[in-house]
Amino acid sequence: EADIYQTPRYLVIGTGKKITLECSQTMGHDKMYWYQQDPGMELHLIHYSYGVNSTEKGDLSSESTVSRIRTEHFPLTLESARPSHTSQYLCASSEIAGFGTEAFFGQGTRLTVV
Amino acid sequence: AQKITQTQPGMFVQEKEAVTLDCTYDTSDQSYGLFWYKQPSSGEMIFLIYQGSYDEQNATEGRYSLNFQKARKSANLVISASQLGDSAMYFCAMSLLSGSARQLTFGSGTQLTVLP
Repeated sequence: EADIYQTPRYLVIGTGKKITLECSQTMGHDKMYWYQQDPGMELHLIHYSYGVNSTEKGDLSSESTVSRIRTEHFPLTLESARPSHTSQYLCASSEIAGFGTEAFFGQGTRLTVV
Repeated sequence: AQKITQTQPGMFVQEKEAVTLDCTYDTSDQSYGLFWYKQPSSGEMIFLIYQGSYDEQNATEGRYSLNFQKARKSANLVISASQLGDSAMYFCAMSLLSGSARQLTFGSGTQLTVLP
């Protein structure tokens, strides 16, 4: 069973609020990712990190920001939430070595901005 | 850039029957990995099976097998003896060895419904 946790699972918040989605993993993985997924649609990579103090933007442009101060923690922040940010956000982690290593996913955060 | 195509938005299968979910990919890289994930309605992504581009044998994991045809760039998932609990969204994904990112690129998914 994967040891990667996301909180909150569900969040309904008003426009203009600042929010932080939490993601933590206890597997010691160096690489972590954030994906955005609209209902019934494919996942799009928005951020990734190779390790502490490393963050990169993914294929899909996002107004969110991330930080990686500790190996196990990779929070995602939206400074001013908008209805267009309504989506599911999935965090994942994997080992760096080799591309055959599966990515372990958290249960996701379903964000609704009203 | 790599691309994953899943042409079946939805599939139905009778319980205990086998089903094949299609996946084709496009990449100019020689070294890559192909993955299948299952996403139930609860939202989490569950890893099912992996196939490396240099693996000569098709991968198998329990009731899941991956029909890898490298020349055709296809990596279809076969689920044998379907169960009601198999009803979910299934995503094919690819990871490249080259480049700095090595992140997973996902297809658009196939919604599988198993009928009793």
